[in-house]
Amino acid sequence: KNEVEQSPQNLTAQEGEFITINCSYSVGISALHWLQQHPGGGIVSLFMLSSGKKKHGRLIATINIQEKHSSLHITASHPRDSAVYICAVGRNTDKLIFGTGTRLQVFP
Amino acid sequence: ETGVTQTPRHLVMGMTNKKSLKCEQHLGHNAMYWYKQSAKKPLELMFVYNFKEQTENNSVPSRFSPECPNSSHLFLHLHTLQPEDSALYLCASSQLAPSGEQTQYFGPGTRLLVL
Repeated sequence: KNEVEQSPQNLTAQEGEFITINCSYSVGISALHWLQQHPGGGIVSLFMLSSGKKKHGRLIATINIQEKHSSLHITASHPRDSAVYICAVGRNTDKLIFGTGTRLQVFP
Repeated sequence: ETGVTQTPRHLVMGMTNKKSLKCEQHLGHNAMYWYKQSAKKPLELMFVYNFKEQTENNSVPSRFSPECPNSSHLFLHLHTLQPEDSALYLCASSQLAPSGEQTQYFGPGTRLLVL
């Protein structure tokens, strides 16, 4: 079992829908990261959070430290949001532990 | 040029070839990383350099040889690779805080095919 699990593995949505991607982890962490990977490979860091909630545009990330769970929400989804979303956890070291990613496709 | 750049973007090589991947970061960061991304698997950390010193070698076969001549440049030298080494190789950099917290900035990756 991976130390970081994401669900669902694949997700399709119609444009405008509200989307939730989940991440659960089994180790103690100092921070959790959400990353976005577009076709072609480039990875962009979306959020780093250690408690509560962060919002950037249509993206919202929440974390519950007690339950070892985080969610990434996308409001008013758009086809350009189609990408792989990766959860990763940090443990006060220079290493991150990555989930396998959630592939999102948003259709017009 | 800003951010993290990688060259080449695509590479096809035979099992007897020797090639090198290059990564350059223009962010003034003190740590650089090599990752391997294979289909349907999580990103695998290969090597970490902090302040040009290798701090992590994640059980990577010796046919992969990293080099970090300075804090802005990172190379991955490849020799006698196997077809199963075909993957996307990603470079990243970060500025490590005393707490260990860091946001990693990724390059676009080199897609490698070993024939």
